[in-house]
Amino acid sequence: DTEVTQTPKHLVMGMTNKKSLKCEQHMGHRAMYWYKQKAKKPPELMFVYSYEKLSINESVPSRFSPECPNSSLLNLHLHALQPEDSALYLCASSQVGRPLDGYTFGSGTRLTVV
Amino acid sequence: QQQVKQSPQSLIVQKGGISIINCAYENTAFDYFPWYQQFPGKGPALLIAIRPDVSEKKEGRFTISFNKSAKQFSLHIMDSQPGDSATYFCAARRGSARQLTFGSGTQLTVLP
Repeated sequence: DTEVTQTPKHLVMGMTNKKSLKCEQHMGHRAMYWYKQKAKKPPELMFVYSYEKLSINESVPSRFSPECPNSSLLNLHLHALQPEDSALYLCASSQVGRPLDGYTFGSGTRLTVV
Repeated sequence: QQQVKQSPQSLIVQKGGISIINCAYENTAFDYFPWYQQFPGKGPALLIAIRPDVSEKKEGRFTISFNKSAKQFSLHIMDSQPGDSATYFCAARRGSARQLTFGSGTQLTVLP
């Protein structure tokens, strides 16, 4: 299995809703990432988990809450989002200690906040 | 110091032509330079990558040229095909850092 699977593919939520994005990989990668991508822009790093521990938080607002329950799963919990949070949310994974292998990205969750 | 500058923003090439996308960086601590290809509605996919101790790397129709002294690297797509139409991002990473610094992206259109 060489894929990163993200669910759901599309999500529409109101500003008072609570929802979660899910990401799963079975490649044995021990680093996992959340990126946010706006239209016609490059991905922006949000969070990095290394060996299931949060290692980087790029000053992301607390309405985004990541969780890494095990080495294969990564969640992003959403609460009280704003319309400007509408974007493509990408999950990625990589091997720790093997930088030349690059990242494997999922297809993303298209989030619309209304 | 963390920026990677990418040009052009958009590129239109005829089928069979050569597509060239350029990137420049400032941080000499970067030591890994990947290129990603992204189709609409999909996540970026690693296309090809290079280390600065190599001046050129070729994989099929895709070639990275690297100029360490100028702190520039470029992607060449030979015999461009309509299926190559996508957005291309260069990126750079420093050592064991978990962060990729992306360029701003180039939207490539290959006309049939």
